[in-house]
Amino acid sequence: EPEVTQTPSHQVTQMGQEVILRCVPISNHLYFYWYRQILGQKVEFLVSFYNNEISEKSEIFDDQFSVERPDGSNFTLKIRSTKLEDSAMYFCASSPPAGPQPQHFGDGTRLSIL
Amino acid sequence: ELKVEQNPLFLSMQEGKNYTIYCNYSTTSDRLYWYRQDPGKSLESLFVLLSNGAVKQEGRLMASLDTKARLSTLHITAAVHDLSATYFCAGTSNRDDKIIFGKGTRLHILP
Repeated sequence: EPEVTQTPSHQVTQMGQEVILRCVPISNHLYFYWYRQILGQKVEFLVSFYNNEISEKSEIFDDQFSVERPDGSNFTLKIRSTKLEDSAMYFCASSPPAGPQPQHFGDGTRLSIL
Repeated sequence: ELKVEQNPLFLSMQEGKNYTIYCNYSTTSDRLYWYRQDPGKSLESLFVLLSNGAVKQEGRLMASLDTKARLSTLHITAAVHDLSATYFCAGTSNRDDKIIFGKGTRLHILP
């Protein structure tokens, strides 16, 4: 079964540095999402992306965040100047163009900011 | 905006027992999801409920949806240790919208 793949699985970065989290959505999917989950807490929506543009973003997704689909297969989340509170698990998800299927989630990237 | 409330948030139960996790949501939801998450792992889709009265079963888990009451339930029958995980209820306002998650129910099944 096709999967959403995320790299790296774990990223350790110094505070203030930029990080890029990468995702390869399922190939025929058209809608893409990033979520984050701070340890022990619920999963929170960050941003949705469709037709090469952001369709919705949450309050969490401020100017330090950006998303890009640079080459038609990858979907990236960039955090420009990381803060300690950005430490979390980041999940990428994608959903197909039609039908009742749920969003498919990747295995996540654990981001640790030191 | 859609809000999703689950209870209980933590549940410890003996193997062989039955229990129900409740999920209330605040506004009309196009679809209701149940996800399972093992510690440090991703979200595994268990059920997608689309219409009032929908009932789905997979093994010892059964999910139902009452759109009039804005309530979904996840019923566990004769629990086994392998079902220990966190279970999230989630909803969307429209099919392609963001998913709004509840806080999760951490289920611990004692052998």
